[in-house]
Amino acid sequence: ETGVTQTPRHLVMGMTNKKSLKCEQHLGHNAMYWYKQSAKKPLELMFVYNFKEQTENNSVPSRFSPECPNSSHLFLHLHTLQPEDSALYLCASSQRKQGPTGELFFGEGSRLTVL
Amino acid sequence: GNSVTQMEGPVTLSEEAFLTINCTYTATGYPSLFWYVQYPGEGLQLLLKATKADDKGSNKGFEATYRKETTSFHLEKGSVQVSDSAVYFCALSGSNAGGTSYGKLTFGQGTILTVHP
Repeated sequence: ETGVTQTPRHLVMGMTNKKSLKCEQHLGHNAMYWYKQSAKKPLELMFVYNFKEQTENNSVPSRFSPECPNSSHLFLHLHTLQPEDSALYLCASSQRKQGPTGELFFGEGSRLTVL
Repeated sequence: GNSVTQMEGPVTLSEEAFLTINCTYTATGYPSLFWYVQYPGEGLQLLLKATKADDKGSNKGFEATYRKETTSFHLEKGSVQVSDSAVYFCALSGSNAGGTSYGKLTFGQGTILTVHP
């Protein structure tokens, strides 16, 4: 139990569907992240939120739409996805502060399959 | 920009063998270095970290030393177990000279380790 909970753990959707991934952290952190993990590729940082404000978007296609209503919750809204978007989506949180630690706490991920 | 390079896997070892997974990095500023582990069906967990040159991180029998002169952070374990089978990720987190963490991690591509009885 890392203190970061992701739902659903598994999701299968068609290319015309709209679905959402949810992440909740119980660690009191002020930063949250979405990463994409595809087979045989390094983890790709998608979005970063600090104190609910998006501070980074790594050229992610608009079919992925993040939402951070407060510092404990993060959503990833999905619509008109492509089969190549099938991957494990990992949420993480951290405490941004002075000092170089930068440790991230990850959820267990949401395995997405796009048919 | 920052980058992390890990040795190609997969790595297959017998139980009680010695493990080394190489990791080198390129970074500006004063990075912190991490090893994360991902067990099957789970997210990433921090295994160990080092925040400045010559620091040694250690946990669960694993060790890694932050070598600034060779820009390396190799992971070692003297005697692996079947339960160590997982994917291992080397990562770095940038910070400026004032010590403020950027909070983002740059990951290597991961190394799959399989340990046989």
